[in-house]
Amino acid sequence: GAGVSQSPSNKVTEKGKDVELRCDPISGHTALYWYRQRLGQGLEFLIYFQGNSAPDKSGLPSDRFSAERTGESVSTLTIQRTQQEDSAVYLCANDRDQLFGPGTRLTVL
Amino acid sequence: KNEVEQSPQNLTAQEGEFITINCSYSVGISALHWLQQHPGGGIVSLFMLSSGKKKHGRLIATINIQEKHSSLHITASHPRDSAVYICAVRSGNQFYFGTGTSLTVIP
Repeated sequence: GAGVSQSPSNKVTEKGKDVELRCDPISGHTALYWYRQRLGQGLEFLIYFQGNSAPDKSGLPSDRFSAERTGESVSTLTIQRTQQEDSAVYLCANDRDQLFGPGTRLTVL
Repeated sequence: KNEVEQSPQNLTAQEGEFITINCSYSVGISALHWLQQHPGGGIVSLFMLSSGKKKHGRLIATINIQEKHSSLHITASHPRDSAVYICAVRSGNQFYFGTGTSLTVIP
């Protein structure tokens, strides 16, 4: 595709359930970032992938959060045992030019 | 203290006015981005700057590396410019974001 895509666009889940969010990057772009944006707040860095290097996980807020990416392909962000404070829009961005996907709006009830 | 500070937080302007949004940062950077986020919409990168000035249509972005300051200017503002404008700086592999400036342009 021409841009970064994310799925699902919206996810409503119950507290305690696990969720998996997906980011399809632009082909050939090696860098991929995940961010979180809570309602009315700024963007928070979560994790960064660059090629086959070890990811920079310094922004992950707790061990309930994890992300994977194989090579330069799709990335998944997994949140285990979701809490209400996890409700946010989760955005991925490709490359150092910060080409953003449309985001996944996560609501934890 | 945030690594990136933006001002103002909120801005209301009449159509046609010249608008300036400011961004100051405290970390060493390799690039600065200006992003635009429409209500309910995604985020679009407007500019990436490492020095000097860039212009795209009615938008102008400047950066002063020595003063660690950037400005985004909108000339002849239009209601469709209403959005949140976010300053982001790249430091190493990480990005730091301002909390955004919410701009409303009134017809």
